[in-house]
Amino acid sequence: GAGVSQSPSNKVTEKGKDVELRCDPISGHTALYWYRQSLGQGLEFLIYFQGNSAPDKSGLPSDRFSAERTGGSVSTLTIQRTQQEDSAVYLCASSLAGGGKHLYEQYFGPGTRLTVT
Amino acid sequence: QQQVKQSPQSLIVQKGGISIINCAYENTAFDYFPWYQQFPGKGPALLIAIRPDVSEKKEGRFTISFNKSAKQFSLHIMDSQPGDSATYFCAASRFRNTGNQFYFGTGTSLTVIP
Repeated sequence: GAGVSQSPSNKVTEKGKDVELRCDPISGHTALYWYRQSLGQGLEFLIYFQGNSAPDKSGLPSDRFSAERTGGSVSTLTIQRTQQEDSAVYLCASSLAGGGKHLYEQYFGPGTRLTVT
Repeated sequence: QQQVKQSPQSLIVQKGGISIINCAYENTAFDYFPWYQQFPGKGPALLIAIRPDVSEKKEGRFTISFNKSAKQFSLHIMDSQPGDSATYFCAASRFRNTGNQFYFGTGTSLTVIP
């Protein structure tokens, strides 16, 4: 079946512009995560959606970052007034939370490489 | 504060050798410890995972060793192959009623020399 998809795969933007990154999770997955991966760094947690619960936004680095998830499926990560330090690969993952064999397994998308010039 | 500490940052192993990557954690509430493998240009993919009620889990050439008292776990890749060259991430997670959040190590870049 289809995996997690993200778009665009690459995005180059000028400093100060806003960007939107999209994630399409695996159908039926109730949990969705956004991570940021900077060059040579690990995965930095940004935000987590679980079903209809309020999202866990504890990882968002500043108020320029926001995310929403519409209809419990597609998610959009928005970065306003982009800065050069925002340059990174933004990864989305989804999982089937709530029980069963794959309770914890996260499935990652290929990521969006964001470059702020 | 780094919840999961991973070492080494990079590792070079000869083909056929054993690759060992180590991770340590502090939060004893963690109850799931996965390892992810990431190839360039791809997202991480689950490789193998362990729960704290067992000390070892083996899948093919990949083994996780878990030491609950020391709060450490490690990935062993036996008979390492050039195709294993990738970045490996350990992670830890704790299930809560609202779901579970994952904490990742900083990654280990593995190069297997033919």
